[in-house]
Amino acid sequence: DAGITQSPRHKVTETGTPVTLRCHQTENHRYMYWYRQDPGHGLRLIHYSYGVKDTDKGEVSDGYSVSRSKTEDFLLTLESATSSQTSVYFCAISEDEYNEQFFGPGTRLTVL
Amino acid sequence: GEDVEQSLFLSVREGDSSVINCTYTDSSSTYLYWYKQEPGAGLQLLTYIFSNMDMKQDQRLTVLLNKKDKHLSLRIADTQTGDSAIYFCAESPGNTGKLIFGQGTTLQVKP
Repeated sequence: DAGITQSPRHKVTETGTPVTLRCHQTENHRYMYWYRQDPGHGLRLIHYSYGVKDTDKGEVSDGYSVSRSKTEDFLLTLESATSSQTSVYFCAISEDEYNEQFFGPGTRLTVL
Repeated sequence: GEDVEQSLFLSVREGDSSVINCTYTDSSSTYLYWYKQEPGAGLQLLTYIFSNMDMKQDQRLTVLLNKKDKHLSLRIADTQTGDSAIYFCAESPGNTGKLIFGQGTTLQVKP
């Protein structure tokens, strides 16, 4: 398995609180991605990074911010969580934009 | 716009063939992908096809690509109970690294 870990694996929080999810890789891959998975929607890209401090928005970026200060870590922050952000969040990595994406195990987030 | 469509559910008997279908909209994708998700797990790449190919076979898996109709299919021969999972097709518009996924097809394999 590709060396990708996500933390926490499960989190329950309340509306209006800030939440940060962490993705950590040991593969030294350049690209990292955050997706959310919801029933009926498949996976949708939130943000991605193509290098340290280089990030860009995906199709559902509103309400989310990201940071990548080191190659191995990609953080996803919900500044003020809402119930619509209850979802399963997956991190993925790839060597470059043409190569296979490897997925982490996911974080289940519940916003009450 | 970019859109990938799949049927949501397929049920087959063990030993039968399964065919999962997908339609996509963006003709600029160099690769089209099939991912598998087992319960409680992340996605694993099953196979992919280069856009200038019509067919790719990999053991029990056969991918067919009809570029004219923007239709992709995944055939699993001799389907086993261990094949029960959600299958996602995905395209990569403009080869940007961003994947657009379908909704996923849940494959149920009955013994």
